[in-house]
Amino acid sequence: EVQLVESGGGLVQPGGSLRLSCVASAFGFSGYSMNWVRQAPGKGLEWVSSISATSSYIYYANSVKGRFTISRDNARNSLYLQMSSLRADDTAVYYCVSDGGSGYTWLDPWGQGTQVTVSS
Amino acid sequence: SYVLTQPPSVSVAPGKTARMTCEGDNIGSRSVHWYQQKPGQAPVLVIYYDSDRPSGIPERFSGSNSGNTATLTISRVEAGDEADYHCQVWYTESDPHVVFGGGTKLTVL
Repeated sequence: EVQLVESGGGLVQPGGSLRLSCVASAFGFSGYSMNWVRQAPGKGLEWVSSISATSSYIYYANSVKGRFTISRDNARNSLYLQMSSLRADDTAVYYCVSDGGSGYTWLDPWGQGTQVTVSS
Repeated sequence: SYVLTQPPSVSVAPGKTARMTCEGDNIGSRSVHWYQQKPGQAPVLVIYYDSDRPSGIPERFSGSNSGNTATLTISRVEAGDEADYHCQVWYTESDPHVVFGGGTKLTVL
């Protein structure tokens, strides 16, 4: 069964940093673009960032540009999100999600999510 | 930037048909994907490429996309279909990014 497992979430003060990780199993990780999507409490889904299979193409939402950095290690089947200058409105569940097709398509599968709370 | 608009809520009686819309400028020219999300759970893909169903998704779920409106239709609605439904596209014209609609809460009466 394909699995994406996120980790690294937690409570952090405003202005602080956090690094999220996502490990993929039973899945051709190195052949797919990957994404981070977040969901603030009681809100809808918000795309955060995407990285192509070979890291050639990287995109960010305007809300995180300059503060977050996406990266991947295909040898370790792992995706990362380095978050800095965190703000209260970054509080959300962060999901690791694969692109379901050959790029710029649907998002599937999803991880279970990791909670990030930014508060003093 | 590109905006997708979904009604906040839709209500339907069991056994009836639920239709949830996703509006966007000329959305018919884009591929639309739909996700079901139950409370406390990660989203699950239910429709991709406007109208294709992943394996394991009941035939009761269908999709269409034309003009400025994409529609997710659930026939013979069951209590277990109660969830939030999100539409999604990729915007690639400039500064590529994923766009989600605001989500529709489906309530089964």
